[in-house]
Amino acid sequence: IAGITQAPTSQILAAGRRMTLRCTQDMRHNAMYWYRQDLGLGLRLIHYSNTAGTTGKGEVPDGYSVSRANTDDFPLTLASAVPSQTSVYFCASSEEGHGYTFGSGTRLTVV
Amino acid sequence: GENVEQHPSTLSVQEGDSAVIKCTYSDSASNYFPWYKQELGKGPQLIIDIRSNVGEKKDQRIAVTLNKTAKHFSLHITETQPEDSAVYFCAASIFAGKSTFGDGTTLTVKP
Repeated sequence: IAGITQAPTSQILAAGRRMTLRCTQDMRHNAMYWYRQDLGLGLRLIHYSNTAGTTGKGEVPDGYSVSRANTDDFPLTLASAVPSQTSVYFCASSEEGHGYTFGSGTRLTVV
Repeated sequence: GENVEQHPSTLSVQEGDSAVIKCTYSDSASNYFPWYKQELGKGPQLIIDIRSNVGEKKDQRIAVTLNKTAKHFSLHITETQPEDSAVYFCAASIFAGKSTFGDGTTLTVKP
C-alpha cells in the first residue's frame, strides 16, 4: 500500500537518551516534513526537506536534527531527549503543488 | 511568518445539521489552503483543498470557500453523519510548500 511508514509507533525514552524516529515513503514525493502534535497546539513544523540532499528548519527545530540522503527516507533524531519533547510526531510528504500525505505517527514519552 | 487561526475549537451538531469551521491567515502571499480530517489514533488525512484563484470548491457533502481580501477561508459540511466526528485542521502555504496549521476543531456529530 502506497504511503508513509513511521517507526516505532510508540516509545518510552529516558531523558538524556538519543533516539531516531524513522520515516519512509514509497510515493517518490520530493518534499518531506516532520511535525509534532501537542494538545491544544495543533501541528508545528520541526524540519522539512524540499528534495533529497536539502533540509530546512521549521517553527520548532531546537533539539532535533534531520537528514535526507535519498528520496524515500527522512529520519528525525533527538540528540538528548528532554521531557518537553513528549509528543506525537508525524512525518508527511507531498507532491509538488498538492497537500500532504501523513504517516500514522510516533507517540513518544520522555521520562 | 504565517499565522493561522481556527474557530471554533469544539463544535457539536445534531446528525443531519450543517457544520462550519472558519480560519484566518496572515500572510497575503499564501495561495494554497488544504483541510485535513484526523480520526482518533491516526494521522491527518487531506479531505479538500482550495487555491487562491478559486472562490469555492465542493466535493459531495463538503465545500470550502475562500475570501482572499479578508484572508479567511471556511469548511462547510452538510448533512452531517456520526462518521464525520473527528478533529479538523485548516492550513495555509505558498504553492503547497511547508504548511502552517490551525489549532484544530473537534467536531462531534450526535446521532
